[in-house]
Amino acid sequence: DSGVTQTPKHLITATGQRVTLRCSPRSGDLSVYWYQQSLDQGLQFLIQYYNGEERAKGNILERFSAQQFPDLHSELNLSSLELGDSALYFCASSVGTGSFNGYTFGSGTRLTVV
Amino acid sequence: SQQGEEDPQALSIQEGENATMNCSYKTSINNLQWYRQNSGRGLVHLILIRSNEREKHSGRLRVTLDTSKKSSSLLITASRAADTASYFCATDGINTGTASKLTFGTGTRLQVTL
Repeated sequence: DSGVTQTPKHLITATGQRVTLRCSPRSGDLSVYWYQQSLDQGLQFLIQYYNGEERAKGNILERFSAQQFPDLHSELNLSSLELGDSALYFCASSVGTGSFNGYTFGSGTRLTVV
Repeated sequence: SQQGEEDPQALSIQEGENATMNCSYKTSINNLQWYRQNSGRGLVHLILIRSNEREKHSGRLRVTLDTSKKSSSLLITASRAADTASYFCATDGINTGTASKLTFGTGTRLQVTL
């Protein structure tokens, strides 16, 4: 157990639907990062939050949004889902805004869009 | 887009042999990290090497960094079946603003057979 909790582990949904992925960071970590892993694109950085504020944005589609709540858990919202959104979505956390101690990853949410 | 490219894409060795994986990247970095991912699971941080370091050891792992060539290598000595996994290099690039994010390479799939 890495200390980063992601729910649900698996999600199957239809095209056009909306889903919410949830992440609780490791205790004491203030930064949360979201990554998408697919066979064709590899690991893609989506977005970072630090202590409730957005800090960095990567290749995140406009149909996707995220937020970090006062208790530091984060949610990634994916809407108008397409077949190509099927992927593993990982959340990672770190103490500060930097990567100097590495990131701690959760076990991921496997999203299948049918 | 990927910052790092790993070589080889796949590597198959016998238990007890050494495994060497290489990573090349494109931009100047603060640090470079290596992660392991067992099939479909979350990534696990292995080792971090800063841009002013040339070599680092951790147990059976040895990492080298050549910033002039923008490349790194990961050596796993005396490999075990449990080392079977995908290995990713990740770079923390300079000039990413106030936040720091890791950009992952394409990964090397290591298979260690008995």
